[in-house]
Amino acid sequence: QQPVQSPQAVILREGEDAVINCSSSKALYSVHWYRQKHGEAPVFLMILLKGGEQKGHEKISASFNEKKQQSSLYLTASQLSYSGTYFCGTGSGNTPLVFGKGTRLSVIA
Amino acid sequence: DGGITQSPKYLFRKEGQNVTLSCEQNLNHDAMYWYRQDPGQGLRLIYYSQIVNDFQKGDIAEGYSVSREKKESFPLTVTSAQKNPTAFYLCASSPGGINYEQYFGPGTRLTVT
Repeated sequence: QQPVQSPQAVILREGEDAVINCSSSKALYSVHWYRQKHGEAPVFLMILLKGGEQKGHEKISASFNEKKQQSSLYLTASQLSYSGTYFCGTGSGNTPLVFGKGTRLSVIA
Repeated sequence: DGGITQSPKYLFRKEGQNVTLSCEQNLNHDAMYWYRQDPGQGLRLIYYSQIVNDFQKGDIAEGYSVSREKKESFPLTVTSAQKNPTAFYLCASSPGGINYEQYFGPGTRLTVT
């Protein structure tokens, strides 16, 4: 079942912070975060695994609440380059990732 | 340079024709995936393969077929049975399952008229 992302879209001024949420109705083992710029391929940002392990870029922070089956991506001091669509992908058991519909982030000067 | 290549970047076909999209990776990854992306829909899984000569259907496999004869190659055929084939198609690979990040190719935009 497709995870739900919120908000669907957000506009920030440079330097502002944002939080993007990802919620699933299924018990999760892993949560992935990717960013996609228009017309380009998604780029890996972070993986959060059950038990607390995280792998990803140093400048990106995220949380994974296993009990609530939720993850949040934290974007601080946003830059113009942060603009794009952010996708979470959730993994349960042996099934492949299921991606949310995305959150469109626009950072303006 | 290691990575995933997809070709062509843009593809135009007439309705009723089958078309094959290419995906090649030189990352030595075991798993490969095909996704379809439509505006506002996110990434939807068409087929995936975790090992050579084996593949499984994803959520929207109807009207598509794949093969995995070599580790580095995972071509996708969009058949005439696919009712709405116009979309952006993304191929990805990863070293393993859900514990590993996926690396995406640049995508192929298919337009069928």
